[in-house]
Order: sequence, then structure tokens, then C-alpha cells
Amino acid sequence: EDQVTQSPEALRLQEGESSSLNCSYTVSGLRGLFWYRQDPGKGPEFLFTLYSAGEEKEKERLKATLTKKESFLHITAPKPEDSATYLCAVQVDSNYQLIWGAGTKLIIKP
Amino acid sequence: ETGVTQSPTHLIKTRGQQVTLRCSSQSGHNTVSWYQQALGQGPQFIFQYYREEENGRGNFPPRFSGLQFPNYSSELNVNALELDDSALYLCASSLNGEQPQHFGDGTRLSIL
Repeated sequence: EDQVTQSPEALRLQEGESSSLNCSYTVSGLRGLFWYRQDPGKGPEFLFTLYSAGEEKEKERLKATLTKKESFLHITAPKPEDSATYLCAVQVDSNYQLIWGAGTKLIIKP
Repeated sequence: ETGVTQSPTHLIKTRGQQVTLRCSSQSGHNTVSWYQQALGQGPQFIFQYYREEENGRGNFPPRFSGLQFPNYSSELNVNALELDDSALYLCASSLNGEQPQHFGDGTRLSIL
């Protein structure tokens, strides 16, 4: 069964304290992996798409990487405005649907 | 460029009632997907519409149904509401079903 697991469930950091969020997946064939950010009361906001192992994407303080079994979202020197829930989703070769993880709630304290 | 808009933002219903949620897709997008997101969980795919036809369905019962109109806006209808239907309902649009999708801010449905 295709599955996406995110860890940790929640992460509290001090402003400026770098860390990584994990998204591990078990799928029959990966077509693409997507990272989204979701603020309270809002819909998910697209961040990155990764297609193949070894690929990396960067945007401001965020960097997403992909291996054959997992993806990491690295956050460097985070600021309080980076606080949000970060969601990971995968699209498998045989399907157009997205399979989502439960998300990591990131809290950055000033 | 107009983004995805959903209405209403909040809704309270009782068990057994019926509800209709609405979504206007982003300008130029012809594909709409609907998701259910329970508190603390990721979105669960309900179904997708492409050019007014259902283009795929997730593991939801037939009491969840939908429509897409010629202007590519969409409706989600849920009959015989159950307590477990309480959730945030998200609509996402894209061009020709391609990723990434762009999401609206959802309708928060509460069932009493």
C-alpha cells in the first residue's frame, strides 16, 4: 500500500536554530514529491516539486532534497514567520492522485 | 490572476442534512480536485473533475458527489451528513490535471 509518513509531528525551535523535517514514502513508483506549507485557517501553499533522487530545490531559508526513500526539508536560520504546518505529498506513476502525509507543525520562537 | 476561492468559509449542519460547497478555480485552470482534511491530518482526495467530467475518485461513499460547470467552477455535495464529515474541505485547481495544484482556503464544516 502506498504510504507517506512525516516526522516529527511537531518541532519547536528557537529563532536561528536550523533543523530538518522528514518525509518518508513507500510507493510503487514515484512520479513526483511535493512540499506544501499550511498556515492555520488557510489552504496549503505550494513550495517545491522534486522528481528524482538527488534533486534539490531551494527557496529563501528552505531547501528540499530527495532520495529513493525519503525527502528532507531543511530550514536554515528560521524566523518566527516560518511557523506553519509543512505537508509532504507524493504522486505515484499509476495514479494522478496525491497521497499526503499528516504534516509537521513547526513553531519558531523569537 | 485570480486565485482559488471557496464559499462559504464556515458552515454548521446537523446529522442527516445535506450540504453544497462551492469553488471557483484559478483563472485559466480546467481541473478541480476536492479534498477532506480532518484536524491534524493531511488532505484526503475525494474526487477530481476535468472539463466537466469526473476524472477519478478516492475512497469516499456515493453520498459525496460533485459537479463542474462550463466556467470550470465546481460544487461538492454531501448527503445524509454524519458526525465524521466534520472537517476542512479544500478545493484545488490546475491546468489539465498537472501538478502543482493551487488550493483555496477551504470550507470548515461542522456537524452537530
